[in-house]
Amino acid sequence: NAGVTQTPKFQVLKTGQSMTLQCAQDMNHNSMYWYRQDPGMGLRLIYYSASEGTTDKGEVPNGYNVSRLNKREFSLRLESAAPSQTSVYFCASSEDIRQGGSGNTIYFGEGSWLTVV
Amino acid sequence: AQSVTQLGSHVSVSEGALVLLRCNYSSSVPPYLFWYVQYPNQGLQLLLKYTSAATLVKGINGFEAEFKKSETSFHLTKPSAHMRDAAEYFCAVSDRGTGRRALTFGSGTRLQVQP
Repeated sequence: NAGVTQTPKFQVLKTGQSMTLQCAQDMNHNSMYWYRQDPGMGLRLIYYSASEGTTDKGEVPNGYNVSRLNKREFSLRLESAAPSQTSVYFCASSEDIRQGGSGNTIYFGEGSWLTVV
Repeated sequence: AQSVTQLGSHVSVSEGALVLLRCNYSSSVPPYLFWYVQYPNQGLQLLLKYTSAATLVKGINGFEAEFKKSETSFHLTKPSAHMRDAAEYFCAVSDRGTGRRALTFGSGTRLQVQP
């Protein structure tokens, strides 16, 4: 009963380093998302992929890139990490964002804690 | 763009007392509405959702929320708080229309339950 699995769970980076957060879902969902969570700001959408082969910017895409590798996997890359990117990152999936209603019910991974020093 | 406001970043209640967490949305067209719960060091878990059926929505763990169009609200309630309800709660909204439908989250309300 894995659901949404993301790795690594914890990471410390130096400013300017790059890294990729990996995410996979086993629910056969079409849509996948990356959110970041910061104190007092709730969750903000970084990028999403409505379906395999498509990606779109969310609310806070600057400094990030994504790849929808296949239907199951959606990775988030920080090319040159900055202290402002210190956050908790959540990967999520839903049946199909284009459906609306139940298609928008999002299922979350357990989070990746990233610190940039 | 849709937005959602959660009044009160922290709410404290006694065990057994009523829980009321407030959420208001900004839209002339009723959106889809969701409540999620986040326990410490975990991801978010769906509590309940409103997608246009009954205005009173029942969720897991004894929570329910009522959609009130006239007040643009979707407040979360539970008649009797339990210690295990201590967590952070997020209201979220998505458009019904053909635009961007990814969920937009409120800033969250942390619920403390005092013994």
